[in-house]
Amino acid sequence: GQQLNQSPQSMFIQEGEDVSMNCTSSSIFNTWLWYKQDPGEGPVLLIALYKAGELTSNGRLTAQFGITRKDSFLNISASIPSDVGIYFCALRPGTYKYIFGTGTRLKVLA
Amino acid sequence: DTGVSQDPRHKITKRGQNVTFRCDPISEHNRLYWYRQTLGQGPEFLTYFQNEAQLEKSRLLSDRFSAERPKGSFSTLEIQRTEQGDSAMYLCASSPRTAYEQYFGPGTRLTVT
Repeated sequence: GQQLNQSPQSMFIQEGEDVSMNCTSSSIFNTWLWYKQDPGEGPVLLIALYKAGELTSNGRLTAQFGITRKDSFLNISASIPSDVGIYFCALRPGTYKYIFGTGTRLKVLA
Repeated sequence: DTGVSQDPRHKITKRGQNVTFRCDPISEHNRLYWYRQTLGQGPEFLTYFQNEAQLEKSRLLSDRFSAERPKGSFSTLEIQRTEQGDSAMYLCASSPRTAYEQYFGPGTRLTVT
């Protein structure tokens, strides 16, 4: 079945740095979702990415399709300590079932 | 709009006992999903409801698992004869029919001892 691979698996960054993470599938998809999950909580939807060739923004977050549209990037500018968490990408390969990526764990050093 | 809610947030049970979890989706969302998430993994799809109809069940959902959404509003997930391998976070999500976005509840953390 369809698998989503995220990279990096984990990253430590300094507060104030910009962050970029990637999600790759084996097929082209027209819509990508990006979530953030804090420990012990459910995932929170950050960005829904619909339009290839455009950046979609939500505050300090931006997302965009990769060139092949088999991947997507999430960028965080000027990271702050509350950006700590696990970031998941998600797709809906069929009519209604969603699949999730392997996650990128972000740790911010103050 | 209060978002997706789940109850209880935490459940500790002994192996062999039955447990039931409840999910209240965002009102007017006709699509409801259950997921299971184990430590270090992304959510794994369990089952999907469109209104009151259960349209898909994952092979992860053994015969000990059953889910209902009797009036197309809240949903319950029951696990019978719990096993230690059932220990996980059980997440509920809802989605409106016409949109791609899916919204999660806070989850129920199940620990089977």
